[in-house]
Amino acid sequence: DTGVSQDPRHKITKRGQNVTFRCDPISEHNRLYWYRQTLGQGPEFLTYFQNEAQLEKSRLLSDRFSAERPKGSFSTLEIQRTEQGDSAMYLCASSPGSQRRNTIYFGEGSWLTVV
Amino acid sequence: KQEVTQIPAALSVPEGENLVLNCSFTDSAIYNLQWFRQDPGKGLTSLLLIQSSQREQTSGRLNASLDKSSGRSTLYIAASQPGDSATYLCAVLPGGSYIPTFGRGTSLIVHP
Repeated sequence: DTGVSQDPRHKITKRGQNVTFRCDPISEHNRLYWYRQTLGQGPEFLTYFQNEAQLEKSRLLSDRFSAERPKGSFSTLEIQRTEQGDSAMYLCASSPGSQRRNTIYFGEGSWLTVV
Repeated sequence: KQEVTQIPAALSVPEGENLVLNCSFTDSAIYNLQWFRQDPGKGLTSLLLIQSSQREQTSGRLNASLDKSSGRSTLYIAASQPGDSATYLCAVLPGGSYIPTFGRGTSLIVHP
């Protein structure tokens, strides 16, 4: 396993711009999660995919946020019209199989700074 | 709604000490609990996963216990080393859900 890969690792953008993050899960992991984490806080759930189906979305995921997982492989998280409050680390995680008993594995995260 | 609390929020100990990190959760109907380590600016690394039917899990100098009925888990670190300095987070997978809920973590510093 090569691990969960996230790109870019760091992004600085001006307020109002759109940004997109990509996540490549561990091969054959059919569950994929997006979380957001700010300094001193634990990760907050954003959204969850089982294969290509987006099964749950948090209230945190406003209409400026959209996530996709075409073909059940990599996933993208897009933030439109960024605001300073969007500055955070965006974490992707994946887990194998359909059973809930399995460990989830995180990527290194994508840092977003909105100036 | 499941809430996860970690105490203490921060801990500073001299090298060699044995220490205990605490995690409590409000709803005992959990499926499993996972402990993670996070280095500054990095992602989370899984340390131990305890299923709801288990009482403890061990990996090297780490031992995690689970008391589901009282809503508590502890992470025991034996003979701490400066390399153990990191934030330790616990995550609870509620029964009937696929979404882990995280605590805010305990920031650990082990000084030489």
